[in-house]
Amino acid sequence: GAGVSQSPSNKVTEKGKDVELRCDPISGHTALYWYRQSLGQGLEFLIYFQGNSAPDKSGLPSDRFSAERTGGSVSTLTIQRTQQEDSAVYLCASSFARAPQYFGPGTRLLVL
Amino acid sequence: AQSVTQPDIHITVSEGASLELRCNYSYGATPYLFWYVQSPGQGLQLLLKYFSGDTLVQGIKGFEAEFKRSQSSFNLRKPSVHWSDAAEYFCAVGADSGGGADGLTFGKGTHLIIQP
Repeated sequence: GAGVSQSPSNKVTEKGKDVELRCDPISGHTALYWYRQSLGQGLEFLIYFQGNSAPDKSGLPSDRFSAERTGGSVSTLTIQRTQQEDSAVYLCASSFARAPQYFGPGTRLLVL
Repeated sequence: AQSVTQPDIHITVSEGASLELRCNYSYGATPYLFWYVQSPGQGLQLLLKYFSGDTLVQGIKGFEAEFKRSQSSFNLRKPSVHWSDAAEYFCAVGADSGGGADGLTFGKGTHLIIQP
């Protein structure tokens, strides 16, 4: 079946612009995760959704970052007023019940 | 706080030789341990996982890993590597088999290079 998909695959933006990153989890997967992968920090956990609810948003790097999930499916990670340090690969993963996470291919974000 | 250490940033192995990638974790409760592999430009693919029971776990692509609680280690092994195994390997720990509400904590990764 279809895996986790993410769009866009690549995004180049100018400093100060807002960007939206999209994640389509595997159908039926109730849990959804966002991670950031950068050269300096490695893989960092950002946020977790169970259904449409994110119980803890403290992993988001700053208040410029927000995330939502609608219909228990698609999730959007929004970065406002992007900065150069936001350049990274943003990975989404989903899982069902307590099965291991399946990862998408990521969105590579470059802020100029 | 939980953490994962992968001491080797790069490892070079000849094709056909055996491989061992090291992983040490720090976790206050029962750890759920994972190894993922990432090829260039790709997402992460699960190789294997340890939740409980037999401390030697088998995964895909001929990989296995051994959980040693006394050493807080979860090393990945393969008896004979293939050129297609060249990739980045990540060890991770989580609060449950799905990762839990705090997600997975990953090591920095080990870059595996295969020499012909």
